[in-house]
Amino acid sequence: GQQVQQSPASLVLQEGENAELQCNFSTSLNSMQWFYQRPGGSLVSLFYNPSGTKHSGRLTSTTVIKERRSSLHISSSQTTDSGTYLCALEPPGFASALTFGSGTKVIPCLP
Amino acid sequence: DAGVTQTPRHEVAEKGQTIILKCEPVSGHNDLFWYRQTKIQGLELLSYFRSKSLMEDGGAFKDRFKAEMLNSSFSTLKIQPTEPKDSAVYLCASSLRTDYEQYFGPGTRLTVL
Repeated sequence: GQQVQQSPASLVLQEGENAELQCNFSTSLNSMQWFYQRPGGSLVSLFYNPSGTKHSGRLTSTTVIKERRSSLHISSSQTTDSGTYLCALEPPGFASALTFGSGTKVIPCLP
Repeated sequence: DAGVTQTPRHEVAEKGQTIILKCEPVSGHNDLFWYRQTKIQGLELLSYFRSKSLMEDGGAFKDRFKAEMLNSSFSTLKIQPTEPKDSAVYLCASSLRTDYEQYFGPGTRLTVL
């Protein structure tokens, strides 16, 4: 079965709203990496988070290994946050290739 | 410091052609990855090198896909022969080693007619 399940698949955000994106994983991991991708763009690394909580501006990543989940919190969203957010699991041991979730597409709610 | 570079950015090929995509990892990085991204399948691993040695060769892609790393600063991905279902964005990434984040290049958008 799928090792990394990401939710929701899409999310409509009004400016100023907060949002929580989730990744659940079914295998053990070395770390979870979160990426941002604009349409037609490449992947920009947001966080490399093996466990605990990390902050970067309006973004917060939390990985809880025991509960097999990682989340990305966006606070006070802006229209420039629109795009796709992907989580990716780095497996333990020497095999470093990432297994990706299917992504959450963040869509701005225009007035 | 230059990030991961990929060339060409766009490639259009006829069915049956051979194409070669190129990647230069971040200087000093030991791990190099080739991924493919499509709307239906998402991101899939094609190949993974550590210190120029092939560690993982995505099983489903073995037949017509061949990645090589002749030196630590350059890798190629050859698709031979191309098929229309190969149309996708091909992404190269590098990492210092295990336990370090991966950095992605801008990708090569391949269209096979």
